[in-house]
Amino acid sequence: GDSVTQMEGPVTLSEEAFLTINCTYTATGYPSLFWYVQYPGEGLQLLLKATKADDKGSNKGFEATYRKETTSFHLEKGSVQVSDSAVYFCALSESSGDKLTFGTGTRLAVRP
Amino acid sequence: DARVTQTPRDKVTEMGQEVTMRCQPILGHNTVFWYRQTMKQGLELLAYFRNRAPLDDSGMPKDRFSAEMPDATLATLKIQPSEPRDSAVYFCASGPSRGSGEQYFGPGTRLTVT
Repeated sequence: GDSVTQMEGPVTLSEEAFLTINCTYTATGYPSLFWYVQYPGEGLQLLLKATKADDKGSNKGFEATYRKETTSFHLEKGSVQVSDSAVYFCALSESSGDKLTFGTGTRLAVRP
Repeated sequence: DARVTQTPRDKVTEMGQEVTMRCQPILGHNTVFWYRQTMKQGLELLAYFRNRAPLDDSGMPKDRFSAEMPDATLATLKIQPSEPRDSAVYFCASGPSRGSGEQYFGPGTRLTVT
């Protein structure tokens, strides 16, 4: 079945540091890939998505590129802020499917 | 700015009591999902609906949980009787179209069963 594997957290960075959160996936078809973010006390929010190979999703300074050859969708940001502290979830959905398969989440803590 | 709303936001109840959680999906969305989030198990899909029809409730303990969509503007998740192990945050999410994978989450209901 489908699965998503994320790097274990927590990830602790200083403000303005470069962020990478690794995500790899296993899927039978041609999935769409997503990053969701959960701020403390809130529900998950869609951060960015990519629907086919080599697509780059971007939002709020975050980027991720759909790499079919390595089955990866790593999240990056060039300069993190304290306000980026949250839990980040990588997810996939099969084409024409409704359901999302989530990774376990990676907690990011950014120090001033 | 359309949002998914959930009520109540917090619920504390005693073991054995019935709990009903409500969700209003975003108008026009045709898929609705119920999730449970705990530190131990993470995020679990309990049930989902498309066009108000239940499509998958395999993640839900059938003996005590039930999920319904009486109309397009209301989804409910009921636990009867509740147990301490049901303590968790319950999220409702809605999605705009089949195959998009986009889900919009509500703020959650934090349930504590004592």
